[in-house]
Amino acid sequence: DADVTQTPRNRITKTGKRIMLECSQTKGHDRMYWYRQDPGLGLRLIYYSFDVKDINKGEISDGYSVSRQAQAKFSLSLESAIPNQTALYFCATSAAGSKYEQYFGPGTRLTVT
Amino acid sequence: SQQGEEDPQALSIQEGENATMNCSYKTSINNLQWYRQNSGRGLVHLILIRSNEREKHSGRLRVTLDTSKKSSSLLITASRAADTASYFCATDAEGSNYKLTFGKGTLLTVNP
Repeated sequence: DADVTQTPRNRITKTGKRIMLECSQTKGHDRMYWYRQDPGLGLRLIYYSFDVKDINKGEISDGYSVSRQAQAKFSLSLESAIPNQTALYFCATSAAGSKYEQYFGPGTRLTVT
Repeated sequence: SQQGEEDPQALSIQEGENATMNCSYKTSINNLQWYRQNSGRGLVHLILIRSNEREKHSGRLRVTLDTSKKSSSLLITASRAADTASYFCATDAEGSNYKLTFGKGTLLTVNP
C-alpha cells in the first residue's frame, strides 16, 4: 500500500462549488504539506502543518483552507472554487529536521469549469 | 517566489549519454534536494546534500553544491530511456523551519 494517499485522484467541479481534497499517510510523520503545481511554475506551497495543533500558511494560501484531523490526515478545501485553481495538487509528508526528505502522494488533478 | 531555478528548462539526449542539470538559488540554505517527477505523478526524492557538503553520489547520480555561487548541479551518468522525467531542485533555506522551496524544473528526455 502507498505510504501517502490522496483522494480523489481526479475531480471536475464548477465555479463556486466547495471541494475538499484529502490526504492520508502511514509513515508516522508529524509534518504534512499541500502544494499546487501549474505547468511551467513548479510546485508552490499552499499550507503546511508541523503537528496536529500547528497550521501555517504557505506561499499561496488565499482561497484555500486546511484541516489537520489527525496526525495521519490533512485535508485541503477550496471554499468557492474558481477556474484559476485548476491545477495538480500534491500532499507531502516529512519527518522533523533538516536532514529529511519529503514523501509525495500521487496527486489530485482538479479542473474547475 | 521560487528560491531555486533550474537550467536548462529542457534537455534532450541519447541513451548512454550523461545529463547535467543546474540549479541556482538566492539565500543561504540548510540543504538542497533533488526530486524526480514522471509525467503527472508525485515527486520522488533522489538525493539530499547538506550545506557543508560539496559532492555526493548515489548510484548513477552525482550532485555538487557550491554555496559561494549558490548553485548545484545534478549529473546523471549513462542515461537510460527510463530516466525521462522532470527534475526539480528544492532548497531548505536557513530560517525557513525546514520548509522546501522548489524550482520550476528541468524536463529531461532520453531518446532510445
